[in-house]
Amino acid sequence: ELKVEQNPLFLSMQEGKNYTIYCNYSTTSDRLYWYRQDPGKSLESLFVLLSNGAVKQEGRLMASLDTKARLSTLHITAAVHDLSATYFCAGYGSGNQFYFGTGTSLTVIP
Amino acid sequence: DSGVTQTPKHLITATGQRVTLRCSPRSGDLSVYWYQQSLDQGLQFLIQYYNGEERAKGNILERFSAQQFPDLHSELNLSSLELGDSALYFCASSVGGTGFMEQYFGPGTRLTVT
Repeated sequence: ELKVEQNPLFLSMQEGKNYTIYCNYSTTSDRLYWYRQDPGKSLESLFVLLSNGAVKQEGRLMASLDTKARLSTLHITAAVHDLSATYFCAGYGSGNQFYFGTGTSLTVIP
Repeated sequence: DSGVTQTPKHLITATGQRVTLRCSPRSGDLSVYWYQQSLDQGLQFLIQYYNGEERAKGNILERFSAQQFPDLHSELNLSSLELGDSALYFCASSVGGTGFMEQYFGPGTRLTVT
């Protein structure tokens, strides 16, 4: 079974600072996904990373995938309050299985 | 607004009962996915249907079942409900049937079992 671990679980950062959320997975995963969830809301798909070395950027968020290290990162640049949310990564394993990480709750403080 | 609709928004029921949650995908999407989010279990993938057929199965309990109808809407049936089934149930839809690509999520149904 594919296991997906995120850290940190909670992240409080000041506006304007940079930080990285890490997503480790236990076995081979064909692809890696990132989602955002605002409090009390549904999920929003952010990125799908399909291959080793894949990098995708949208605004202040940049996601990357290193399949050899079994690691994906979500880098936040110059954080703003609007980025406060919970971020989940998820891995896609053999047998059409799909597993979420525990989530990282991000709070950006003015 | 993702274009995915779910009904009802909230549901309160008693242990041992059976409920049905409904999901209508975005226009043109053929896949529907069901997810459960609870404090204990986190986010879990339950099941996927593509054009009426089961495509992938996750951690779905035997007490739970789902189907996708010819008009592509889907229903998730939960029976013999237990307190631990209290959770937020999301559905998502996508055009394709493989790889969980480009999913659009509905607003969710919050189920409370008392």
